[in-house]
Amino acid sequence: QQPVQSPQAVILREGEDAVINCSSSKALYSVHWYRQKHGEAPVFLMILLKGGEQMRHEKISASFNEKKQQSSLYLTASQLSYSGTYFCGTVSSGNTGKLIFGQGTTLQVKP
Amino acid sequence: DTAVSQTPKYLVTQMGNDKSIKCEQNLGHDTMYWYKQDSKKFLKIMFSYNNKELIINETVPNRFSPKSPDKAHLNLHINSLELGDSAVYFCASSHLTDPFTDTQYFGPGTRLTVL
Repeated sequence: QQPVQSPQAVILREGEDAVINCSSSKALYSVHWYRQKHGEAPVFLMILLKGGEQMRHEKISASFNEKKQQSSLYLTASQLSYSGTYFCGTVSSGNTGKLIFGQGTTLQVKP
Repeated sequence: DTAVSQTPKYLVTQMGNDKSIKCEQNLGHDTMYWYKQDSKKFLKIMFSYNNKELIINETVPNRFSPKSPDKAHLNLHINSLELGDSAVYFCASSHLTDPFTDTQYFGPGTRLTVL
């Protein structure tokens, strides 16, 4: 089943922080985060593994709560370049290699 | 040095026509994918090939037929195009050394418009 992301959209000023959540009803093995800018391809940010550590990409970090089957993406001191649509992709145990993406969260960072 | 490339970038065609989209990766990956992204940005897997063998085949109309001549190429042929086929089609590739953790690298996408 498709993971659910929240919020659907966020508008920030430069320097502000944001959190994007991703929840699944299935037992997850890994969560993959991607960012897609308008008219471009999704670009990999980071992967969270079951039993793994919190990950970081520049000033963006993420966590994975295995008990709740949830992942959160933390954007700290946002920059204009962070604008885009963020997708979480989940891999469930028994769903080998198949990434199921959430509906996306659109982030707009304003000067 | 484009890692995953697709042609064409844009494709505008009439209903009922047959069209193909080509994908090539120079990353040395073993696995390639086709995704469809609709107007609401929903990104859904369609097919996956590992070393020319079909390993993921989602519920997709049989008008869509993927073909992998070798592990660096994956093409998508669509017969009898319908209005609902209008979308952006992305090709992606990965190593598939560990299917649970492999990172997928996406191509630039092909925007298909069916009139």
